[in-house]
Amino acid sequence: EAGVAQSPRYKIIEKRQSVAFWCNPISGHATLYWYQQILGQGPKLLIQFQNNGVVDDSQLPKDRFSAERLKGVDSTLKIQPAKLEDSAVYLCASSLDRGISSYNSPLHFGNGTRLTVT
Amino acid sequence: AQKITQTQPGMFVQEKEAVTLDCTYDTSDPSYGLFWYKQPSSGEMIFLIYQGSYDQQNATEGRYSLNFQKARKSANLVISASQLGDSAMYFCAMREGQAGTALIFGKGTTLSVSS
Repeated sequence: EAGVAQSPRYKIIEKRQSVAFWCNPISGHATLYWYQQILGQGPKLLIQFQNNGVVDDSQLPKDRFSAERLKGVDSTLKIQPAKLEDSAVYLCASSLDRGISSYNSPLHFGNGTRLTVT
Repeated sequence: AQKITQTQPGMFVQEKEAVTLDCTYDTSDPSYGLFWYKQPSSGEMIFLIYQGSYDQQNATEGRYSLNFQKARKSANLVISASQLGDSAMYFCAMREGQAGTALIFGKGTTLSVSS
């Protein structure tokens, strides 16, 4: 099966500019996630979607970050305006999450987008 | 409080030796899953192994095994017969609850395998 697709692979922008990332999850996966991974740290959840709806966006800096999931499939994450501290890898992931025990469903990750803000 | 703790920033091992990467977790939910991921320098996050909170047996996947000690809340990854290609960052992570929260990650352990 095809994996999680992300684009672009790399992006360099200046502070105060805007940027958007795109993600296409594995076909049939109900849940989609965006994580931020700062160099040398573990990934941190930004937002979790279940089909069309947002499950958790408690750690999303909503003054500058926004995300949407179109028709329960593809998703875009936008940053506007970017700050220097937004430099990180942005990982998209998806999971099947069918049935009553979603906690046993692994997340499958894309290759990520490496963002550098100068 | 941290939910996932990995206390070893870096580990070094020689080829063909076994290595254990430590992970402790904290949750009050009786239903949870523990996962290990490998992240090579290329950046992709590769799923290695899973252990459910109700599983009686320790999980194994090829050269990977998970030493699950529920009472001590630990889920250590054991890699047998290390290979040069095992050099990477390793993350322990957890999902909680029947509804399945997102993965919560530890800070990771860098494993270096030498010949």
